[in-house]
Amino acid sequence: ETGVTQSPTHLIKTRGQQVTLRCSSQSGHNTVSWYQQALGQGPQFIFQYYREEENGRGNFPPRFSGLQFPNYSSELNVNALELDDSALYLCASSLARTYEQYFGPGTRLTVT
Amino acid sequence: AQTVTQSQPEMSVQEAETVTLSCTYDTSENNYYLFWYKQPPSRQMILVIRQEAYKQQNATENRFSVNFQKAAKSFSLKISDSQLGDTAMYFCAFMKVSGYALNFGKGTSLLVTP
Repeated sequence: ETGVTQSPTHLIKTRGQQVTLRCSSQSGHNTVSWYQQALGQGPQFIFQYYREEENGRGNFPPRFSGLQFPNYSSELNVNALELDDSALYLCASSLARTYEQYFGPGTRLTVT
Repeated sequence: AQTVTQSQPEMSVQEAETVTLSCTYDTSENNYYLFWYKQPPSRQMILVIRQEAYKQQNATENRFSVNFQKAAKSFSLKISDSQLGDTAMYFCAFMKVSGYALNFGKGTSLLVTP
């Protein structure tokens, strides 16, 4: 059974740029959730995708957007990067209507 | 909105000893799920234990057990026979039964010393 994977591991961007982060869900999982974890904080929910549609969204601006593909992998896109976007971005996959979310190792984004 | 509070930013325990991490939460929901997640320095978040609010029996997973007090909205994690590999950040999290988002506390950094 393949676990959740994320790419890239680390990323450095400049303020105002755009970034795309990628996530492959665990085998058999059709739901992907994204979280932002600032340094020293707990993860904050960004949004969730189920069957290629956004299923729920946290308190994040529209410049945070996502996609889910037919193979259930997912992308997180952030436009107009701000310094406060520097964080660890975690992807978690799950079976729809179940509560167990399995996390990937994360992507560390640094905005300078 | 649901809030999760972990009042112990850092804790330390000696190997083989027992330690308890505290968590309180605030919700108007009657049915929900509670979780403890572990995030080692390698940073991959791992589910340690889960509790369904409708179950009165406290969950147990090997050396990990919880003390779930629904009326007090308290959900503590007890780690018995602590091991060096238990060193990590521990996050308490809440999810509504009808929900999809995990609400996390700020975490407790646990250090297990020889």
